[in-house]
Amino acid sequence: NAGVTQTPKFRVLKTGQSMTLLCAQDMNHEYMYWYRQDPGMGLRLIHYSVGEGTTAKGEVPDGYNVSRLKKQNFLLGLESAAPSQTSVYFCASRSHTGDETQYFGPGTRLLVL
Amino acid sequence: GENVEQHPSTLSVQEGDSAVIKCTYSDSASNYFPWYKQELGKRPQLIIDIRSNVGEKKDQRIAVTLNKTAKHFSLHITETQPEDSAVYFCAASIMNTGNQFYFGTGTSLTVIP
Repeated sequence: NAGVTQTPKFRVLKTGQSMTLLCAQDMNHEYMYWYRQDPGMGLRLIHYSVGEGTTAKGEVPDGYNVSRLKKQNFLLGLESAAPSQTSVYFCASRSHTGDETQYFGPGTRLLVL
Repeated sequence: GENVEQHPSTLSVQEGDSAVIKCTYSDSASNYFPWYKQELGKRPQLIIDIRSNVGEKKDQRIAVTLNKTAKHFSLHITETQPEDSAVYFCAASIMNTGNQFYFGTGTSLTVIP
């Protein structure tokens, strides 16, 4: 039981390049979330999903897209990376029954030059 | 939407003293209030949570109190130890929905040996 995993752990991009961050969970959770964490600003929600095939915008969705084609995977895409997207990205998942705990992945550190 | 404010942003205490971190929220519909601890370079991890039908909850040296009328909740750590040094985040959400968690901006706690 690996919990929530993220790939890659670290990436350097040039402005304008694209990339996809992968989040996978093996806890059969319905709800999944993508956050970015910047110094002094806490965790800000980018997009989230309440089930396979569904996505919704969070607090800071601009410049990102997401897909949830399989229940266990939640992908975050950057179509044209900008330096302002330099951040640490965390994925999280949560059960839809009983346990309200959000379980976080280990994070992806992204540097956009 | 919900707005969660957290104070102080930094806190230094002597080992053995108590630490208190306070959060306020704006949405009276919020009924679940978790606290997460994040060590440097690690993922956030749940340390304690409280639901709106409870005024206080304790777990060894950690306690959380909730005042629904005033819309504020606090984390209390007693007999602090150096390993308590970390960033602590409060959050608010609505239970039994896929709704997002709204996080505070974090408190960096340093316990001085």
